[in-house]
Formats: sequence, structure tokens, C-alpha cells
Amino acid sequence: GAVVSQHPSWVICKSGTSVKIECRSLDFQATTMFWYRQFPKQSLMLMATSNEGSKATYEQGVEKDKFLINHASLTLSTLTVTSAHPEDSSFYICSAREGAGDTDTQYFGPGTRLTVL
Amino acid sequence: GQNIDQPTEMTATEGAIVQINCTYQTSGFNGLFWYQQHAGEAPTFLSYNVLDGLEEKGRFSSFLSRSKGYSYLLLKELQMKDSASYLCAPMDSNYQLIWGAGTKLIIKP
Repeated sequence: GAVVSQHPSWVICKSGTSVKIECRSLDFQATTMFWYRQFPKQSLMLMATSNEGSKATYEQGVEKDKFLINHASLTLSTLTVTSAHPEDSSFYICSAREGAGDTDTQYFGPGTRLTVL
Repeated sequence: GQNIDQPTEMTATEGAIVQINCTYQTSGFNGLFWYQQHAGEAPTFLSYNVLDGLEEKGRFSSFLSRSKGYSYLLLKELQMKDSASYLCAPMDSNYQLIWGAGTKLIIKP
């Protein structure tokens, strides 16, 4: 089946620094990639949707200047948390979709655990 | 390697009961999540099991057997709105989620 990877799995950084998280579709081309944030035992909160070669669409309440998303190729999207603060500590999950329709299958990455000290 | 297996699609009748099975092989285990995802929406948290047994939450129950690497989601009194994909996701020893491809549940009147 389709595989989505994320790198790094874990990251610990100091407050004020920037962190980049990569999301890759390993065996398919992802028309659309999604970035989610997960709080313990809660639903995934959609942060933004990105289509290859175009600007990401951010959900309401998500700061686009703080969470920079780049979807430079059909197999790679990156999320950069700029000037990270302790409240940004969370579990970030990406997913990738090959087709363009809402009913097309999303494949989820294993997540990246960010801890900001 | 790590592997998750759940049926691709299931069909059930409104008002009935359906059980969605999930078998998994992971490097270590830190609990298993079930999510519901409607088309075009973000996954909604349904349950988290870390100990063996059945946990009931309204119309939805989730069961875990760690020794068998097996879980199921039981949906009772099915409603049309339960038509969705159901994702099984165990967490490995590194606290990474290992996602199944999801089971598309179709509810018929």
C-alpha cells in the first residue's frame, strides 16, 4: 500500500528557533498534502491543505506566517514552525492524497513529536 | 516490519450492528486509536485502547487484545451519518502512529 513518511520523528528545540518537518509520499505522487496537529486523545486538527506548486490553504486560526508550508514537488511537503514556543509543542501529522477528490484515500504519516523548551 | 490490516470496505444496514476488525504488527506498542473520517473532513477521535478488553462509549465500542495484535470497533444502532472511513492506528514504541488504510463503511437504508 501507499506509504507516507515524516522526518524527523522527534524533535526537541529551544524557544525562538525554527523547526522544519518533512512529509514524503514514498510510492505515489501526492496531488494534495494535509498537515494536522493532534492533541492527546483528541481529533486531528487540520492546519492547512497544500497542492503541489501552489500556496497552502490555511484553516481559520492557524497563523500562516508561523507555520510555513511548502509543497515543492509531488512527493514532498514541508512544514516549518518559525520562532517556536512551548505552546507549539505537539504531535504533527501529515497525510497525502493521490487524487483530487474528497473521497480519494488519504494516507497518513507516522507523525512528528515536537517539544519546544 | 510494521503492518496494519483492516477490510477495505464494509456495507451494513441502518439500525444494525457492524464490527470492523483490525490486526496489527508493530515494533512495541503504546496503545491503539480508532478514528472516523468523513470525506473531505479531518479524522475524528473515537477511542484509545491501551489495556486488553472492551471500552464502551455510547453506540461505539472498541476492543483490544494485545497478545493477538487485534482490535475491533463495534458500531451499534447504525445511522446513515455513520457512513465514513474508519481508521485503525496503533502507536509503536517510538510513539509513532502506524496507520491502516481505513475501512469504508457504507450504510444502506
